[in-house]
Amino acid sequence: QKEVEQDPGPLSVPEGAIVSLNCTYSNSAFQYFMWYRQYSRKGPELLMYTYSSGNKEDGRFTAQVDKSSKYISLFIRDSQPSDSATYLCAMSAKDTGRRALTFGSGTRLQVQP
Amino acid sequence: DAGVIQSPRHEVTEMGQEVTLRCKPISGHNSLFWYRQTMMRGLELLIYFNNNVPIDDSGMPEDRFSAKMPNASFSTLKIQPSEPRDSAVYFCASSSQLREEKLFFGSGTQLSVL
Repeated sequence: QKEVEQDPGPLSVPEGAIVSLNCTYSNSAFQYFMWYRQYSRKGPELLMYTYSSGNKEDGRFTAQVDKSSKYISLFIRDSQPSDSATYLCAMSAKDTGRRALTFGSGTRLQVQP
Repeated sequence: DAGVIQSPRHEVTEMGQEVTLRCKPISGHNSLFWYRQTMMRGLELLIYFNNNVPIDDSGMPEDRFSAKMPNASFSTLKIQPSEPRDSAVYFCASSSQLREEKLFFGSGTQLSVL
């Protein structure tokens, strides 16, 4: 079993829809949670970063972490065609000395105009 | 800064040949990571360096893979001999000690082994 599980999609939504992307994980040592966005033929880029449980909002994006359920989410409000990309969750247990990020396999999102 | 620079962008080679991928991290970043991305397995960590020293190479598939970081501004990933199952996009990423969660990725090398 992978440490981080993510539905690969693809997920197709109309412009303006609310999008929910999710990851589950098995390693309770993960404390830092990130969402990266990857456009076609590009490297991933950091979108959101949260520490431990709770919510974080940045414009149209909200990241949620529920450590008790080992479940994280990314919500995109008023989705735009420019949001079409692959979204990867990533996690770190750097406080345990394990500094490298572990990534989910990514969810491909398509926002139809 | 130009960001993380990888070369070549594309590499097509025949099975058994040696392949060398190159990476120039962002100046001032002290951590460097090599990842491999495939449809089946997603983004997998191969190896990472901190201050030019390999810290974790447990993701390196086998002895055919080797990585070096001779100085703070250059790293290589070598595959010898290459096999068709090595076909993937190989990414190099760097980060600073102050913001380890923020990896800056290069544009990747698309490797095809025929």
